[in-house]
Amino acid sequence: GQSLEQPSEVTAVEGAIVQINCTYQTSGFYGLSWYQQHDGGAPTFLSYNALDGLEETGRFSSFLSRSDSYGYLLLQELQMKDSASYFCAVNPPGGQNFVFGPGTRLSVLP
Amino acid sequence: GAGVSQSPSNKVTEKGKDVELRCDPISGHTALYWYRQSLGQGLEFLIYFQGNSAPDKSGLPSDRFSAERTGGSVSTLTIQRTQQEDSAVYLCASSLVGGGSDTQYFGPGTRLTVL
Repeated sequence: GQSLEQPSEVTAVEGAIVQINCTYQTSGFYGLSWYQQHDGGAPTFLSYNALDGLEETGRFSSFLSRSDSYGYLLLQELQMKDSASYFCAVNPPGGQNFVFGPGTRLSVLP
Repeated sequence: GAGVSQSPSNKVTEKGKDVELRCDPISGHTALYWYRQSLGQGLEFLIYFQGNSAPDKSGLPSDRFSAERTGGSVSTLTIQRTQQEDSAVYLCASSLVGGGSDTQYFGPGTRLTVL
């Protein structure tokens, strides 16, 4: 099966850089996804890593290392609107039963 | 264009009653997912539909839960004999073809409260 771990909360100030880690124990998966969810809102897709390495999309980057069973989401030039919960997720080989992490609540302070 | 829509937005029911939750995916999307999210928790996969293939029901927590997708479009999640532990936000998502690299677009969810 799969299980993912994330820190429950992270706090940072505007303009800073923050890294949200996702470690996992899984027998295998296709790739690692990241989603953002504002309070009361629906999750929105941020990024997907099928291969090891860094994927960059604007201020957000995501990293995957299968050998270390580890990934992270990097948010640069933090803005107040980045305050939200961030979830990592994997989908197993041959399946679409995505497993989501418990989420990390990011608070950006002025 | 229109996104994923869900109805009702809120549903309050009494323990033991049946409820139906509806999801209208984005037109043309072949993949449809149902998730459940309890307060302050991550998303729990329930069921996945892809085109005309048999759905992946591996996430349904009990036989009280069932889902259908008619005509490859609208989907209904039915919970029979609701229990208080069923209280959660039920989220529907659709994607063009399915798969991890394919963006899932989520609806606003249905908040279910079982009294």
